[in-house]
Amino acid sequence: DAKTTQPPSMDCAEGRAANLPCNHSTISGNEYVYWYRQIHSQGPQYIIHGLKNNETNEMASLIITEDRKSSTLILPHATLRDTAVYYCIVSAVSGGSYIPTFGRGTSLIVHP
Amino acid sequence: NAGVTQTPKFRILKIGQSMTLQCAQDMNHNYMYWYRQDPGMGLKLIYYSVGAGITDKGEVPNGYNVSRSTTEDFPLRLELAAPSQTSVYFCATLLNYEQYFGPGTRLTVT
Repeated sequence: DAKTTQPPSMDCAEGRAANLPCNHSTISGNEYVYWYRQIHSQGPQYIIHGLKNNETNEMASLIITEDRKSSTLILPHATLRDTAVYYCIVSAVSGGSYIPTFGRGTSLIVHP
Repeated sequence: NAGVTQTPKFRILKIGQSMTLQCAQDMNHNYMYWYRQDPGMGLKLIYYSVGAGITDKGEVPNGYNVSRSTTEDFPLRLELAAPSQTSVYFCATLLNYEQYFGPGTRLTVT
C-alpha cells in the first residue's frame, strides 16, 4: 500500500500557483519525498525530491514540514500543459534496492 | 540517446496466449522496473532488477516472468494471458533516485 495520502482531484486557474498537498505521517528518517507527474497516458515524469529541506528546480518547489509528516508541491505559474496526475511518493533505499510505491495521485486540472 | 524504449505500443491477445513485452535502455542504468497501471489507478510494481542476472518480485508478480541477461534489456513474459492482465505496462530505469519511464505498452486480453 502507498505510504502517502493525496486528494483525488484539484483544479487551478491558468497563471495561478497550484499547491498540491501530500500527507506522509509514517515517513521514516531515511525516506525521501518524491513527486512525479503523468500526463494523459504517458509514462510518469520525475519532478522533484527532498529529504527535509525545501527544494526548488525549474519545474516546481517542494515544501516539507519540519516534522516531515506532510509536504506541498508548488507549481508557481500553472499552465494548461500542467494538467496531469501528480504522484507523491516516499521511499528509501532498502537493502540496496529502491522500490517506490505509486498511489492514485492527485488529478490536477488547470483551466483557462 | 533514446532513453527507455518499449515494444510493442499496442497488443491484443486471446485468453491463454503468451507474449513478451520488450524493454530496452541505452543509459547503462543498473536498476530496471516493470509496472502495470489499470484504468484510474496508480502504478503497481510487477518485477524489478538491480543489475544483470538479478531479478526480484514486486507487489503483483503472479502470471509474469522476467529475465535480465544484459544491462540493456529487461523483457517481461506473460504466460497464459488472462483478462485480468489487460492493462498498460510501463518499464522504467533508475539513476540517482530519479526514475525514467518508457512510453508504455497497452495490452488487451480478450
